[in-house]
Amino acid sequence: GAGVSQSPSNKVTEKGKDVELRCDPISGHTALYWYRQRLGQGLEFLIYFQGNSAPDKSGLPSDRFSAERTGESVSTLTIQRTQQEDSAVYLCASSFTDAGTLYFGPGTRLLVL
Amino acid sequence: KQEVTQIPAALSVPEGENLVLNCSFTDSAIYNLQWFRQDPGKGLTSLLLIQSSQREQTSGRLNASLDKSSGRSTLYIAASQPGDSATYLCAVRRDSNYQLIWGAGTKLIIKP
Repeated sequence: GAGVSQSPSNKVTEKGKDVELRCDPISGHTALYWYRQRLGQGLEFLIYFQGNSAPDKSGLPSDRFSAERTGESVSTLTIQRTQQEDSAVYLCASSFTDAGTLYFGPGTRLLVL
Repeated sequence: KQEVTQIPAALSVPEGENLVLNCSFTDSAIYNLQWFRQDPGKGLTSLLLIQSSQREQTSGRLNASLDKSSGRSTLYIAASQPGDSATYLCAVRRDSNYQLIWGAGTKLIIKP
């Protein structure tokens, strides 16, 4: 079926506004990850979901960041009161099992002015 | 603590050459290792996944090897093409859970 999709592909917002990023994983994939990648930097783990288990939120940088996922479907990453340092590409990935091959979406490029 | 290193950070070679990218890890107790490529402005594409019990995996012109005892994996690219230009990343799983430790990547440029 289709790969991992993310929307929007690009988002420009003003400092202080809230943004919501969406990820549609591959159908049947129980594991879902969010990563952040700043310009010229490596991947930064944000949060992990596995089925109906409690998510691992250990990578969220502040309480302005939150994420939800209902069952094994869509996930949304919300950033409240955006700051300029939040500007980055936000990548979503899914896998069939915890330790399986990771499939990434194209990312959402967020620019906070 | 597991650390993953990729050297060199950048590599430029003429088209047609065979080349090797390196990935080193400090803790040999890994579950699997995965190689990805990232094209500019795009997401990551999985290339090969090697389980800890495997020595190598092949896909087309790509061959990935794994030597746990020396803490090393290599990605061999045969007959390189300009379309192979990308950043190549490796990621290691410590055990059969979701945690991945990422290398910083090698930026590969294939000159026509």
